[in-house]
Formats: sequence, C-alpha cells, structure tokens
Amino acid sequence: DVKVTQSSRYLVKRTGEKVFLECVQDMDHENMFWYRQDPGLGLRLIYFSYDVKMKEKGDIPEGYSVSREKKERFSLILESASTNQTSMYLCASSSPPFYGYTFGSGTRLTVV
Amino acid sequence: AQSVTQPDIHITVSEGASLELRCNYSYGATPYLFWYVQSPGQGLQLLLKYFSGDTLVQGIKGFEAEFKRSQSSFNLRKPSVHWSDAAEYFCAVGAKNYGQNFVFGPGTRLSVLP
Repeated sequence: DVKVTQSSRYLVKRTGEKVFLECVQDMDHENMFWYRQDPGLGLRLIYFSYDVKMKEKGDIPEGYSVSREKKERFSLILESASTNQTSMYLCASSSPPFYGYTFGSGTRLTVV
Repeated sequence: AQSVTQPDIHITVSEGASLELRCNYSYGATPYLFWYVQSPGQGLQLLLKYFSGDTLVQGIKGFEAEFKRSQSSFNLRKPSVHWSDAAEYFCAVGAKNYGQNFVFGPGTRLSVLP
C-alpha cells in the first residue's frame, strides 16, 4: 500500500515563526497536495504539484508556499505563522490513472 | 462551478441499524466519485470509488454506494452499522477533464448509539 507520511502529528509554534510541514510518499506518485481542514469549512486545497519543481495554487494559498525538490517530498511552508493558520493540515498523493488520493495522518498545528 | 453537497451535517443511528449518507454533485464532465472516512484525529481513508461500469460499488468495511446519474447522487449505504463506524464521512468528486485534484463535500458526522 501507498504510504504518505507527515513528519509531525502535533506542532505548536509562535506567531511570526517560519514553519515547515513535511510530507513524504513512498510509491512514486506524480501528484501531491496540501489541504487544511477546519470545522464547518471542510477540506480546502492550499497548493498542489504535478511534478518535481512544479507547483500550483489551490483555493487558499495566501500565507503559504510549497517546495518540491524531489518527487517523493512535498513541503508546506508558513512564511510567518499567524493564529488564523491554526488548523489540521493534510497531505495527499495520487498518480494517473486517477485512482483517488492517499492521505497522510495529518498535522495538527497550533499557532500561539 | 463544480460542487459537492452532503445535506446531513450530523446523523445518529443505533448500532445494528441501516445507514444511508447522501451525496449530490454538480459537475460538467463525467465524474469520478469517492467516499472517504475520517476517524477522530486521523487522515482520510478511502472507502470506495466509482469510475465507470456497474453503478453499485462495494467498498471496505461493508459499505456500498450507488451512482445515479439522473439524480447526480452517489449515496453511501451500510446495512448494519457497528459502533466503530462512528466517524466523519466525506464525498469527493473529480473529473478527468479537470486534472487530478477534486472537490470534497463538507462531510457528515456519524454517531452510533449502543
């Protein structure tokens, strides 16, 4: 089975810090995604990538950036963390043909 | 624009009762349809998917879903619910024409009474 691993389950960071959320998948998937999940708002797409060094903005990219230097790793970066970025962050990967996403276990980030 | 609705925010059923979770979609292309389940504090796990062919699909954990094109629906069912089924359920819709990212519904939280 494909495994998507998010490096941290829980993180607490201070306002203004630069935060890195790491995601690694082990099945050579081309596509990787970052979502945030908030109560009442569901899953919202932040950024996605279809290839190494490629990135596309999702629905809510403001305040975030991403990096994909290697096919298996997709990093989400909070340039200057703010309290409104406290959320559950979910990474996912997929590959053509389109068989759906495999998700990581999530990182619950709290910004204080 | 593409959209997915799950009309029920929260459903409570008794253990052993049958379950149906509703999902309706609005999509311009032939849809790929998915149901995911999320246990508290966890990521999402794929329950089942529909691409083409038989409109009744079987998934893991005893779940099934039926695609009805005329109603733009993809409802999830289980004949007998177990306490361990308590979780949040997400319907998702994608289409080959729109690439590999797709739209999630808002989710339905299922509670199970003993």
